[in-house]
Amino acid sequence: DQQVKQNSPSLSVQEGRISILNCDYTNSMFDYFLWYKKYPAEGPTFLISISSIKDKNEDGRFTVFLNKSAKHLSLHIVPSQPGDSAVYFCAASARFIGGATNKLIFGTGTLLAVQP
Amino acid sequence: EPEVTQTPSHQVTQMGQEVILRCVPISNHLYFYWYRQILGQKVEFLVSFYNNEISEKSEIFDDQFSVERPDGSNFTLKIRSTKLEDSAMYFCASRGEGNQPQHFGDGTRLSIL
Repeated sequence: DQQVKQNSPSLSVQEGRISILNCDYTNSMFDYFLWYKKYPAEGPTFLISISSIKDKNEDGRFTVFLNKSAKHLSLHIVPSQPGDSAVYFCAASARFIGGATNKLIFGTGTLLAVQP
Repeated sequence: EPEVTQTPSHQVTQMGQEVILRCVPISNHLYFYWYRQILGQKVEFLVSFYNNEISEKSEIFDDQFSVERPDGSNFTLKIRSTKLEDSAMYFCASRGEGNQPQHFGDGTRLSIL
């Protein structure tokens, strides 16, 4: 069940440049989207989220863009730093379906390597 | 910053044995979740828990699984009779009211022999 897809398993970027990570979804009921960062042997760490009523949300170096008509979201990291090297997961939920669940559906992740 | 804590970090168990994975969610959070990630696969939802009852469970969460919040701080996942395919990382998550993201613990690696 591929409701959330991250088609790039890996991405390599030079320090200081922009990193763009992409995510596609198929379920039109999703209305809340999140990006998590994960280091080995740690749990996913929340980075940034966006509600379907917006098309952009910014937090420091991180910006998430949502294109509802294309069912596509992207995470921009500017400027990229070596400490950003990690696996990035896109996740989605349908907040007002099925009661209080808000379960997250995850993509497969993209391994970002920022080269010094 | 408050965090979700999980114990143990690694659990090795013989097939057929019962295992209990423990989580302490963030203290003012009301919604609790378990997810798992089999090696090389996606993070998958198992179960959500709110107001002392299960609010949703996935197909994976069969009769061998149960969850409990025994004392107002801990949130546990029990697997009654473990199978080899239960080997995975198990993540606990919690969130607060309203439009809040889920926060995850560092996981328990469960290895079934």
